[in-house]
Amino acid sequence: GAVVSQHPSWVICKSGTSVKIECRSLDFQATTMFWYRQFPKQSLMLMATSNEGSKATYEQGVEKDKFLINHASLTLSTLTVTSAHPEDSSFYICSALAGSYEQYFGPGTRLTVT
Amino acid sequence: GQSLEQPSEVTAVEGAIVQINCTYQTSGFYGLSWYQQHDGGAPTFLSYNGLDGLEETGRFSSFLSRSDSYGYLLLQELQMKDSASYFCAVNYGQNFVFGPGTRLSVLP
Repeated sequence: GAVVSQHPSWVICKSGTSVKIECRSLDFQATTMFWYRQFPKQSLMLMATSNEGSKATYEQGVEKDKFLINHASLTLSTLTVTSAHPEDSSFYICSALAGSYEQYFGPGTRLTVT
Repeated sequence: GQSLEQPSEVTAVEGAIVQINCTYQTSGFYGLSWYQQHDGGAPTFLSYNGLDGLEETGRFSSFLSRSDSYGYLLLQELQMKDSASYFCAVNYGQNFVFGPGTRLSVLP
Protein backbone atom coordinates (compact mmCIF):
# COMPACT_ATOMS: atom_id res chain seq x y z
CA GLY A 1 0.00 0.00 0.00
CA ALA A 2 0.86 3.66 -0.18
CA VAL A 3 3.20 5.09 2.43
CA VAL A 4 2.91 8.40 4.22
CA SER A 5 5.67 9.65 6.47
CA GLN A 6 5.46 12.25 9.17
CA HIS A 7 8.27 14.12 10.85
CA PRO A 8 9.06 14.53 13.64
CA SER A 9 7.46 11.59 15.43
CA TRP A 10 7.59 13.47 18.70
CA VAL A 11 8.59 16.94 19.78
CA ILE A 12 8.81 18.84 23.03
CA CYS A 13 8.79 22.61 22.87
CA LYS A 14 8.46 25.53 25.20
CA SER A 15 5.34 27.59 25.44
CA GLY A 16 5.35 30.44 22.95
CA THR A 17 7.53 28.76 20.36
CA SER A 18 6.46 27.39 16.97
CA VAL A 19 6.68 23.84 15.72
CA LYS A 20 6.53 22.59 12.15
CA ILE A 21 5.33 19.09 11.30
CA GLU A 22 5.91 17.61 7.85
CA CYS A 23 3.73 15.09 6.10
CA ARG A 24 5.00 13.37 2.95
CA SER A 25 3.41 10.88 0.59
CA LEU A 26 6.39 8.74 -0.38
CA ASP A 27 5.18 6.74 -3.35
CA PHE A 28 2.18 8.57 -4.72
CA GLN A 29 1.04 12.09 -5.42
CA ALA A 30 -1.64 13.48 -3.17
CA THR A 31 -3.66 16.46 -4.25
CA THR A 32 -5.47 16.36 -0.94
CA MET A 33 -4.07 15.84 2.52
CA PHE A 34 -5.78 16.07 5.86
CA TRP A 35 -4.60 17.08 9.31
CA TYR A 36 -6.17 15.50 12.37
CA ARG A 37 -5.79 15.86 16.08
CA GLN A 38 -6.37 12.92 18.37
CA PHE A 39 -6.67 12.89 22.15
CA PRO A 40 -6.00 9.69 24.11
CA LYS A 41 -8.62 7.03 23.56
CA GLN A 42 -10.67 9.36 21.38
CA SER A 43 -11.52 9.62 17.74
CA LEU A 44 -9.81 11.56 15.00
CA MET A 45 -10.82 15.20 14.90
CA LEU A 46 -10.35 16.78 11.49
CA MET A 47 -8.56 20.10 11.74
CA ALA A 48 -8.19 21.05 8.11
CA THR A 49 -8.13 19.86 4.54
CA SER A 50 -5.06 20.76 2.57
CA ASN A 51 -5.19 20.98 -1.21
CA GLU A 52 -2.04 21.38 -3.25
CA GLY A 53 -1.60 24.88 -4.57
CA SER A 54 -4.52 26.41 -2.71
CA LYS A 55 -5.42 27.57 0.76
CA ALA A 56 -6.36 25.00 3.34
CA THR A 57 -9.94 24.61 4.45
CA TYR A 58 -10.22 24.71 8.22
CA GLU A 59 -12.90 23.08 10.31
CA GLN A 60 -15.06 25.19 12.54
CA GLY A 61 -13.29 26.14 15.73
CA VAL A 62 -9.76 25.63 14.38
CA GLU A 63 -7.74 28.84 14.32
CA LYS A 64 -6.14 29.17 10.91
CA ASP A 65 -3.65 31.75 12.17
CA LYS A 66 -2.48 29.38 14.85
CA PHE A 67 -2.32 26.22 12.79
CA LEU A 68 -0.66 27.21 9.53
CA ILE A 69 -0.93 24.68 6.74
CA ASN A 70 1.06 24.73 3.55
CA HIS A 71 0.66 22.20 0.74
CA ALA A 72 3.35 23.35 -1.63
CA SER A 73 3.75 20.16 -3.64
CA LEU A 74 1.87 16.99 -4.45
CA THR A 75 3.92 15.06 -1.90
CA LEU A 76 4.37 17.48 0.99
CA SER A 77 2.08 19.26 3.41
CA THR A 78 3.25 21.03 6.54
CA LEU A 79 1.46 22.04 9.71
CA THR A 80 3.00 24.78 11.81
CA VAL A 81 1.70 25.26 15.32
CA THR A 82 2.49 28.88 16.08
CA SER A 83 2.96 30.26 19.58
CA ALA A 84 2.27 26.86 21.06
CA HIS A 85 0.68 26.54 24.47
CA PRO A 86 0.26 23.53 26.76
CA GLU A 87 -3.32 23.03 25.59
CA ASP A 88 -1.95 22.40 22.10
CA SER A 89 -0.23 19.27 23.37
CA SER A 90 -1.73 16.41 21.45
CA PHE A 91 -1.19 13.70 18.83
CA TYR A 92 -1.30 15.19 15.36
CA ILE A 93 -1.85 12.84 12.40
CA CYS A 94 -1.83 13.63 8.73
CA SER A 95 -3.28 11.59 5.91
CA ALA A 96 -3.12 11.66 2.15
CA LEU A 97 -6.09 10.88 -0.02
CA ALA A 98 -5.53 8.24 -2.67
CA GLY A 99 -8.39 8.10 -5.12
CA SER A 100 -11.73 9.32 -3.87
CA TYR A 101 -12.06 7.72 -0.45
CA GLU A 102 -8.99 5.85 0.73
CA GLN A 103 -6.83 7.72 3.19
CA TYR A 104 -3.29 6.72 4.04
CA PHE A 105 -2.20 7.98 7.40
CA GLY A 106 1.17 9.06 8.64
CA PRO A 107 2.50 7.61 11.91
CA GLY A 108 1.61 10.76 13.82
CA THR A 109 3.49 13.39 15.79
CA ARG A 110 3.20 13.67 19.53
CA LEU A 111 3.56 17.29 20.55
CA THR A 112 4.23 18.24 24.14
CA VAL A 113 4.31 21.91 25.04
CA THR A 114 5.89 22.73 28.38
CA GLY B 1 -25.68 17.61 11.58
CA GLN B 2 -23.42 14.64 11.17
CA SER B 3 -23.40 12.03 13.90
CA LEU B 4 -22.03 8.52 13.98
CA GLU B 5 -22.36 6.11 16.85
CA GLN B 6 -20.31 3.04 17.68
CA PRO B 7 -20.11 0.83 20.75
CA SER B 8 -17.21 2.01 22.87
CA GLU B 9 -15.83 -1.44 23.65
CA VAL B 10 -16.24 -5.00 22.41
CA THR B 11 -14.57 -8.12 23.80
CA ALA B 12 -14.32 -11.49 22.07
CA VAL B 13 -12.14 -14.59 22.14
CA GLU B 14 -9.67 -15.85 19.60
CA GLY B 15 -11.28 -17.63 16.70
CA ALA B 16 -14.66 -16.02 17.24
CA ILE B 17 -16.64 -13.71 14.99
CA VAL B 18 -17.42 -10.16 16.05
CA GLN B 19 -19.58 -7.46 14.52
CA ILE B 20 -18.94 -3.77 15.16
CA ASN B 21 -21.89 -1.58 14.32
CA CYS B 22 -21.90 1.98 13.13
CA THR B 23 -25.17 3.87 13.16
CA TYR B 24 -25.54 7.33 11.78
CA GLN B 25 -27.90 10.24 11.65
CA THR B 26 -26.86 11.81 8.42
CA SER B 27 -27.65 11.48 4.76
CA GLY B 28 -26.28 12.32 1.38
CA PHE B 29 -22.87 10.83 2.06
CA TYR B 30 -20.87 9.09 -0.61
CA GLY B 31 -19.81 6.05 1.37
CA LEU B 32 -18.83 4.41 4.65
CA SER B 33 -15.23 3.49 5.44
CA TRP B 34 -13.60 1.47 8.20
CA TYR B 35 -10.17 2.02 9.71
CA GLN B 36 -8.13 0.07 12.22
CA GLN B 37 -5.80 1.74 14.69
CA HIS B 38 -3.49 -0.04 17.09
CA ASP B 39 -2.40 1.78 20.23
CA GLY B 40 0.21 4.38 19.38
CA GLY B 41 -0.08 3.67 15.67
CA ALA B 42 -1.62 5.23 12.62
CA PRO B 43 -5.08 4.32 11.35
CA THR B 44 -5.05 1.93 8.42
CA PHE B 45 -7.75 1.61 5.81
CA LEU B 46 -9.79 -1.60 5.95
CA SER B 47 -12.77 -1.27 3.65
CA TYR B 48 -15.23 1.01 1.91
CA ASN B 49 -18.91 0.68 1.04
CA GLY B 50 -20.05 3.07 -1.63
CA LEU B 51 -23.16 1.04 -2.28
CA ASP B 52 -25.47 -0.89 -0.02
CA GLY B 53 -24.49 -4.44 0.58
CA LEU B 54 -21.57 -6.52 1.70
CA GLU B 55 -17.93 -6.03 0.84
CA GLU B 56 -15.55 -8.85 1.71
CA THR B 57 -11.80 -8.58 2.14
CA GLY B 58 -10.28 -11.69 3.61
CA ARG B 59 -11.32 -12.12 7.24
CA PHE B 60 -12.96 -8.71 7.27
CA SER B 61 -16.31 -7.81 5.74
CA SER B 62 -18.21 -4.55 5.81
CA PHE B 63 -21.87 -3.88 5.24
CA LEU B 64 -23.93 -0.78 4.55
CA SER B 65 -27.67 -0.24 4.56
CA ARG B 66 -28.64 3.33 3.82
CA SER B 67 -32.33 2.61 4.33
CA ASP B 68 -31.62 1.40 7.87
CA SER B 69 -28.98 4.06 8.54
CA TYR B 70 -26.33 1.66 9.68
CA GLY B 71 -23.33 -0.30 8.70
CA TYR B 72 -21.07 -2.82 10.34
CA LEU B 73 -17.64 -4.34 10.22
CA LEU B 74 -17.48 -8.11 10.61
CA LEU B 75 -14.27 -9.71 11.75
CA GLN B 76 -13.99 -13.48 11.42
CA GLU B 77 -11.50 -15.96 12.86
CA LEU B 78 -10.36 -13.38 15.37
CA GLN B 79 -6.67 -13.20 16.15
CA MET B 80 -4.88 -11.53 19.03
CA LYS B 81 -3.42 -9.00 16.63
CA ASP B 82 -6.95 -7.79 15.84
CA SER B 83 -7.05 -6.09 19.24
CA ALA B 84 -7.25 -2.44 18.24
CA SER B 85 -9.63 0.46 17.84
CA TYR B 86 -11.92 0.47 14.84
CA PHE B 87 -13.40 3.64 13.38
CA CYS B 88 -16.17 4.05 10.87
CA ALA B 89 -16.23 7.20 8.75
CA VAL B 90 -18.59 8.72 6.22
CA ASN B 91 -17.43 10.97 3.45
CA TYR B 92 -19.13 13.75 1.53
CA GLY B 93 -16.76 14.10 -1.36
CA GLN B 94 -13.49 14.95 0.31
CA ASN B 95 -15.07 15.74 3.66
CA PHE B 96 -14.68 12.88 6.13
CA VAL B 97 -16.36 12.47 9.50
CA PHE B 98 -15.12 9.74 11.84
CA GLY B 99 -17.12 7.86 14.42
CA PRO B 100 -15.99 7.72 18.06
CA GLY B 101 -14.31 4.36 17.62
CA THR B 102 -14.75 0.90 19.10
CA ARG B 103 -12.02 -0.68 21.14
CA LEU B 104 -11.85 -4.41 20.40
CA SER B 105 -10.12 -6.68 22.87
CA VAL B 106 -9.41 -10.23 21.74
CA LEU B 107 -8.86 -12.67 24.57
CA PRO B 108 -6.96 -15.97 24.33
